[in-house]
Amino acid sequence: EVQLVESGGGLVQPGRSMKLSCAASGFTFSNYGMAWVRQAPTKGLEWVATISYDGSSTYYRDSVKGRFTISRDNAKSTLYLQMNSLRSEDTATYYCTRALLGIPFAYWGQGTLVTVSS
Amino acid sequence: DVVMTQTPVSLSVSLGGQVSISCRSSQSLVHNNGNTYLSWYLQKPGQSPQLLIYKVSNRFSGISDRFSGSGSGTDFTLKISRVEPDDLGVYYCGQGTQYPYTFGAGTKLELK
Repeated sequence: EVQLVESGGGLVQPGRSMKLSCAASGFTFSNYGMAWVRQAPTKGLEWVATISYDGSSTYYRDSVKGRFTISRDNAKSTLYLQMNSLRSEDTATYYCTRALLGIPFAYWGQGTLVTVSS
Repeated sequence: DVVMTQTPVSLSVSLGGQVSISCRSSQSLVHNNGNTYLSWYLQKPGQSPQLLIYKVSNRFSGISDRFSGSGSGTDFTLKISRVEPDDLGVYYCGQGTQYPYTFGAGTKLELK
């Protein structure tokens, strides 16, 4: 069974940094592209970043480019999202997702809430 | 960016009834490889989204045949027949054809 468990969320001040992790199990992590999708409170879904199966390619939405870095450690079956220069508009639940056959968000974790506030 | 427009915003249905949700994209979702990466997701109250339909009309593993997807190009539809209590929540369409990947604003399915 595919399991994705996010961690690392919490309250952080504007301008500070935070690193999210996603521990994957139940499948061969190194075979699949992964992504982060976020959802602001009471709002819809917003794609944040994607990384290829081997980490060689990464893609970001414009609003996080230069501030967020997606990475992975295939030996640890773990996905990361390093978030710098956080803004209030980054407040959201961040979901770790796994791709399948070109479908970017086939499996979802339970999410971790990031609140950016002073 | 590809804008995904979902209608209606909300929908009231009786148990056992049928509903349709429309999703339109501002550009064709046909990828260079010939596939159309249009998916449908359901987010039940207090839960993470789950994949229902991928590549327009393919049901994901374990998804009931009461859910069906159709469409092409820029115009897509999700139909739910014989609605059950567990179907309630917010439905999103999403495109994975080109970056940035985008989602519709959601359609909330409620009981009448």
